[in-house]
Amino acid sequence: DAKTTQPTSMDCAEGRAANLPCNHSTISGNEYVYWYRQIHSQGPQYIIHGLKNNETNEMASLIITEDRKSSTLILPHATLRDTAVYYCIVRVGTGGFKTIFGAGTRLFVKA
Amino acid sequence: GAVVSQHPSWVICKSGTSVKIECRSLDFQATTMFWYRQFPKQSLMLMATSNEGSKATYEQGVEKDKFLINHASLTLSTLTVTSAHPEDSSFYICSVAGGSHEQYFGPGTRLTVT
Repeated sequence: DAKTTQPTSMDCAEGRAANLPCNHSTISGNEYVYWYRQIHSQGPQYIIHGLKNNETNEMASLIITEDRKSSTLILPHATLRDTAVYYCIVRVGTGGFKTIFGAGTRLFVKA
Repeated sequence: GAVVSQHPSWVICKSGTSVKIECRSLDFQATTMFWYRQFPKQSLMLMATSNEGSKATYEQGVEKDKFLINHASLTLSTLTVTSAHPEDSSFYICSVAGGSHEQYFGPGTRLTVT
């Protein structure tokens, strides 16, 4: 079973920041938080991951609470092409471990 | 990141026939690959973990005799849907496990069984 809880859907205005929350209250000490997204009819795309520190890359920022029980993915300037399903996943860090997907959040970016 | 391809991108077959889907890691030697299935408006469901040179590990509820997985090399894994039925119609996605953290997904194969 997925170890995360996300809102079913969210809307965001184009050009504004999109803040996608995720609860993972049962996360273990050796588990990372990963975010992927899936644009319609495509394979998932990796966005970002983190253990306990906040992380930023060219796509997004990841804010993890101090107790690590929740996190927020931030798309700083959402565009229409960011409309997708966003998955928050918790798992150990080695690539060989299987990734279990939850229901994700369907983000609609509107003009 | 690694580039992962799938072939075919879509396929239509008749009920009772078998269909083979290929997953290739184009620039990365993958000892582990994963196969997922996704029904419309649903999330990805892990079907099996494919390890190079050994038998695949199937998730609970997935019929290993129906979904045959072969991972014969570090760059190729195949999923064969045997005796396909309309309820097997789905979007099949493979992924390649990197050395650390990385997991790269293929573009998916849409299977329609008529």
